Amino acid sequence: GENVEQHPSTLSVQEGDSAVIKCTYSDSASNYFPWYKQELGKGPQLIIDIRSNVGEKKDQRIAVTLNKTAKHFSLHITETQPEDSAVYFCAASSLYNQGGKLIFGQGTELSVKP
Amino acid sequence: GAGVSQTPSNKVTEKGKYVELRCDPISGHTALYWYRQSLGQGPEFLIYFQGTGAADDSGLPNDRFFAVRPEGSVSTLKIQRTERGDSAVYLCASSLNRGAYEQYFGPGTRLTVT
Repeated sequence: GENVEQHPSTLSVQEGDSAVIKCTYSDSASNYFPWYKQELGKGPQLIIDIRSNVGEKKDQRIAVTLNKTAKHFSLHITETQPEDSAVYFCAASSLYNQGGKLIFGQGTELSVKP
Repeated sequence: GAGVSQTPSNKVTEKGKYVELRCDPISGHTALYWYRQSLGQGPEFLIYFQGTGAADDSGLPNDRFFAVRPEGSVSTLKIQRTERGDSAVYLCASSLNRGAYEQYFGPGTRLTVT
């Protein structure tokens, strides 16, 4: 089955710097890769996603890149702000093989210092 | 428009007791997923409903866990003979339909088995 590895487990940056979180996946059938932000005591919030027919997607300060050949995808946050501090999860799924169930990485705790 | 709601938000029960956790998906969403999140980990898939039927229950850890969605909307996750190892946050997510990728999560139910 699918396995998703996420690095780093913790990341501390200064306000205004960029943050990058990387994930690798194992199942070549995976075709959808969302990123979630989870604040303490809350459910995961979808912040951006990418499908396998696209190499890069950007939404304001957040961007995601996908390398299907290498089976890895990354989240880039620019001009970080203290409110970006949270745990970020990557995930992978294959809608056609597995009904869209998400396989999550282990999470990255991002801390943005003012 | 309301998001996914889950009740109760917290549940404390004694080992061996039976519990029910409820999920109310976004109105009109036909796909519903249950995940379990242990402390410091990413969510793990339990079961997926398309309409009233369980399309994939491969993530249920054993036969003490069961879920229903009798009218294709609200779902109940049922755990019999609870064990301390069942303590976790139980998350529910819904998606517009089987052909849609995006999953939107509720706030979760924190289950503690003493």
